[in-house]
Order: sequence, then C-alpha cells, then structure tokens
Amino acid sequence: EPEVTQTPSHQVTQMGQEVILRCVPISNHLYFYWYRQILGQKVEFLVSFYNNEISEKSEIFDDQFSVERPDGSNFTLKIRSTKLEDSAMYFCASRESERQSQHFGDGTRLSIL
Amino acid sequence: DQQVKQNSPSLSVQEGRISILNCDYTNSMFDYFLWYKKYPAEGPTFLISISSIKDKNEDGRFTVFLNKSAKHLSLHIVPSQPGDSAVYFCAASPTGGGGGADGLTFGKGTHLIIQP
Repeated sequence: EPEVTQTPSHQVTQMGQEVILRCVPISNHLYFYWYRQILGQKVEFLVSFYNNEISEKSEIFDDQFSVERPDGSNFTLKIRSTKLEDSAMYFCASRESERQSQHFGDGTRLSIL
Repeated sequence: DQQVKQNSPSLSVQEGRISILNCDYTNSMFDYFLWYKKYPAEGPTFLISISSIKDKNEDGRFTVFLNKSAKHLSLHIVPSQPGDSAVYFCAASPTGGGGGADGLTFGKGTHLIIQP
C-alpha cells in the first residue's frame, strides 16, 4: 500500500537554526498537510497546500514557517530561527481528493537544544 | 480551545468484549468526522469516517455512531483484539472533508488497552 514518507525520522538542531522537514506524499494525492504534536498534547493542524499554494493555515503557522513543493514529489516544511517550543513531532499528510481521508507519515521528531 | 474532546485518557477492555470510545465536539460547522489509530513511533492511521448526513457507518469490526443533536460520536470495536491496543484519535473537519483542503481538528486521544 502506498505510504507517506518523512525524513529524517529525528532531527536535532540548535536553537536559532533553520530546519527543513521533508515529506514525500502518496504519488496521486493532490492535497498536502503539516501537523505537529507537542509531547503530551494533541495533534495540531499547521497548514494545508493545494494547487501549489497554501489553502489554509492555523494560528501556529506564522512567519517563522513556510512550505514548498519544490518538485513533483517532495513537500517541505521550513522552520526559521527555531525556538525551544518548536520541539515536537511533525506529521505530514496527504489526500487524494476532496472526499477521501488524510494519510499520515510516521513523523519527524524535532528536538531543539 | 477544545473543539474536539475525548474525555477518557485511557480505557481498558477485555479481549473479545466491545470497546466503546467516545468523542464530543462543540463546533457546529464540523460535518465530517474521522477516527485514527496510532501506535508509538508511527503516524496516525485512518480507521473509519462518517459524514453528518449519516448516523452510523460500519466497516468490519469498527462502527462509528454520530449523534448530531448531542454533538457526540462514538467508535465501537467488537470483538476487541490485542492488536487494537493503541491510542485512538477522534478528528473533525468543517467541510465534509472536501470543498477545500481543510485541516483536521483532533481530540487528545484515548489510550485503549486490550487485556488478554
């Protein structure tokens, strides 16, 4: 069964540095998402992306964050000037069409030191 | 703000019995609801969904019930199996999962433990 693939599985970064989290959505999917889960808290929506532009973003997704689909397969989340509170699991998800469920990757654990 | 609430952090059920996981929501704009299952170190895996035009959806051992007037949904698993032990998340979307690329709003999850 096709999967959403995320790399790296664990990223350790110094506070203030920039990180790029990478995702390869399922190939025929058209809608792409990023979520995060801070330890012990619920999964929170960050941003959705469709037709090469952001469709929706949450309050969390401020100017520190950006997303990009640089080619036909990758979908990236960039976090500039990382803070301690950015430490979390970051999940990428994709969906084929409007009436389908979102499929999630296994996440990238981001640790900010 | 907790627009989607799962009030039971954990639930223990004997193997072979029925597991009932509950979820309440407050946002009247939600009209599409999903249940995800999550094992440690993995991402959420889709289980079953229901649109607000229905009050029940069944898929094998899994059945989701929706009570719109009470803004309540539940997931029934019968019979429960050891492999069902996981964290279960209720999630909701305002546009039937469509009409846009809406993000999901998740509950905090219920840790289901199936006792042998």
